[in-house]
Amino acid sequence: LAKTTQPISMDSYEGQEVNITCSHNNIATNDYITWYQQFPSQGPRFIIQGYKTKVTNEVASLFIPADRKSSTLSLPRVSLSDTAVYYCLVGPAEYGNKLVFGAGTILRVKS
Amino acid sequence: KAGVTQTPRYLIKTRGQQVTLSCSPISGHRSVSWYQQTPGQGLQFLFEYFSETQRNKGNFPGRFSGRQFSNSRSEMNVSTLELGDSALYLCASSGWTGESIKAKNIQYFGAGTRLSVL
Repeated sequence: LAKTTQPISMDSYEGQEVNITCSHNNIATNDYITWYQQFPSQGPRFIIQGYKTKVTNEVASLFIPADRKSSTLSLPRVSLSDTAVYYCLVGPAEYGNKLVFGAGTILRVKS
Repeated sequence: KAGVTQTPRYLIKTRGQQVTLSCSPISGHRSVSWYQQTPGQGLQFLFEYFSETQRNKGNFPGRFSGRQFSNSRSEMNVSTLELGDSALYLCASSGWTGESIKAKNIQYFGAGTRLSVL
């Protein structure tokens, strides 16, 4: 499974756009990139998933360059409630396949 | 639709005891996975069940076991509890329920069971 590297922590202010980059140099051809969000004492929550180029949904955008060796999660106009740990996962997309979580990025949003 | 339900939410046990945790997946989901989360080790995969069969297993001792019933509900058991077993145990379910086929292996997590071993 591809190893991922992301910043340990990031600080931002309400209303700003936040970009969290994840490095995954050894990504395999059949690997997807998935981001989860976790609040304290809760289970992770799926945010977005992509394979290449750009994916957007109602909460975030995911940018994946052509070589797929990195990806960037973009959160538009963050609020205090976006303070959480964000995990970048890379792995095959067969359903039920185990998820390998790294340390994640602690995002702190300040007022 | 109802999410993943884990019971109980909190448990306090003493060393040497055993514990059983329960997980009810999202209706229609047939895959159930279990994870352990600790401050030191982070989120680690325990095992995954599909159609009552364990398909995948993480690197945990045999004291950790699980099973899945015909209605996809799952239980995990930890025997001979150790202090280091204190953790948040998370259950996740996944499966095709008419969602976009472009979204693959999306796992939906429950709120977890917080186990404290004294």
